[in-house]
Amino acid sequence: EVQLLESGGGLVQPGGSLRLSCGVSGFTFSNYAMSWVRQAPGTGLEWVSVIYTGGSSRYYADSVEGRFTISRDDSNNMLYLQMNSLRADDTAVYYCAKFRQQLVFNAPDVFDHWGQGTVVTVSS
Amino acid sequence: DIQMTQSPATLSASLGDRVTITCRASQNIHGWLAWYQQKPGKAPKLLIYAASSLEGGVSSRFSGSASGSEFTLTITSLEPDDFATYYCHQYNTYSRGSFGQGTRLEIK
Repeated sequence: EVQLLESGGGLVQPGGSLRLSCGVSGFTFSNYAMSWVRQAPGTGLEWVSVIYTGGSSRYYADSVEGRFTISRDDSNNMLYLQMNSLRADDTAVYYCAKFRQQLVFNAPDVFDHWGQGTVVTVSS
Repeated sequence: DIQMTQSPATLSASLGDRVTITCRASQNIHGWLAWYQQKPGKAPKLLIYAASSLEGGVSSRFSGSASGSEFTLTITSLEPDDFATYYCHQYNTYSRGSFGQGTRLEIK
């Protein structure tokens, strides 16, 4: 069974940092591109970042470019999102999501499995 | 960036009804459009990908179609479990994606 479990959310002051983690099981993690998607309270889904297999290709939404860094540890089946210079509008539930197809490189795909989300609150 | 305009924002319907939700893309996305269902406090669930392909395990009461830049999700014979929020997702570009604003389907 495919499972994704996020952790690392919490309350942080504006300008602070957080590192989100997503542990996965039930599939060959190294074969799949992964993404982070967030959802601010009462609003819709916002694509945040993607990392392709191997980890060398990473892309970000304009709203987080230069502040967030996505990474992966294939040996430990972990996905990360380092979030720096956090702002109030970064407050959201952050989901990690798995591409539907394996061995996709620099090609778009849908998300067939999602974690349960971790809550990030940026407030003084 | 590609913008997705989803409508309606809210849809009221009764059990057994047939409903449609629409997404329009600001650019040609070559059919790379997915639909997700989300219930309160839960992660989204993939329903449809590539505009009209049904994800495994999803009821055949859900279907997707495309006409140019306009994409439609149709749900027939509404059941209690269908009342949720639905999002379209364009994935035409490998370096970024975008979602529609969502449609909340509520019981009339």
